[in-house]
Amino acid sequence: GAGVSQSPRYKVAKRGQDVALRCDPISGHVSLFWYQQALGQGPEFLTYFQNEAQLDKSGLPSDRFFAERPEGSVSTLKIQRTQQEDSAVYLCASSPRDSGRGETQYFGPGTRLLVL
Amino acid sequence: GNSVTQMEGPVTLSEEAFLTINCTYTATGYPSLFWYVQYPGEGLQLLLKATKADDKGSNKGFEATYRKETTSFHLEKGSVQVSDSAVYFCALVVGTGNQFYFGTGTSLTVIP
Repeated sequence: GAGVSQSPRYKVAKRGQDVALRCDPISGHVSLFWYQQALGQGPEFLTYFQNEAQLDKSGLPSDRFFAERPEGSVSTLKIQRTQQEDSAVYLCASSPRDSGRGETQYFGPGTRLLVL
Repeated sequence: GNSVTQMEGPVTLSEEAFLTINCTYTATGYPSLFWYVQYPGEGLQLLLKATKADDKGSNKGFEATYRKETTSFHLEKGSVQVSDSAVYFCALVVGTGNQFYFGTGTSLTVIP
């Protein structure tokens, strides 16, 4: 079956521009996650949805970052007024259930954002 | 807090060599432990996991044992292949929580 897909795969933005990154999770997966991966680092948690509800946004680095999942499937991560420090790979992951010990998260290929 | 520490890379091995990538963790609760692999140009893929102490996760010849007494989850493979060249990430999630904590990744290159 289809995995998690993300678009665009690459995005170049000028500093100050707004960007929108899309994630299509695996069909039927309840939970959706966004992570930010800086060059040479491991992914760092940004936010988590259970269906359409955003249950944890503790990892969002500033109020310029906003995520939504209005119908409980596709999600969009929006970054307003991009800064150079926002350059990173943004990863989306989904998992089939809303909770449970040791649930596997399935990752998309990521969107590589470069802010000039 | 919760964190994962991996051995630094890059690691270069000859084909059929033995592989160990060290991973240790700190956790505020009882974690589940994971190894993810990222092949060149691809996304993160689950390699193996273990959800309780003394469990051994295994897949594709890779193994890791959840050692609570040493807070470790070292990845091993007896005989690596060129196709194992990738970046390996150790990760944890605490209890029934949802936020994964990742290590910084270890790059492995296997040469023929």
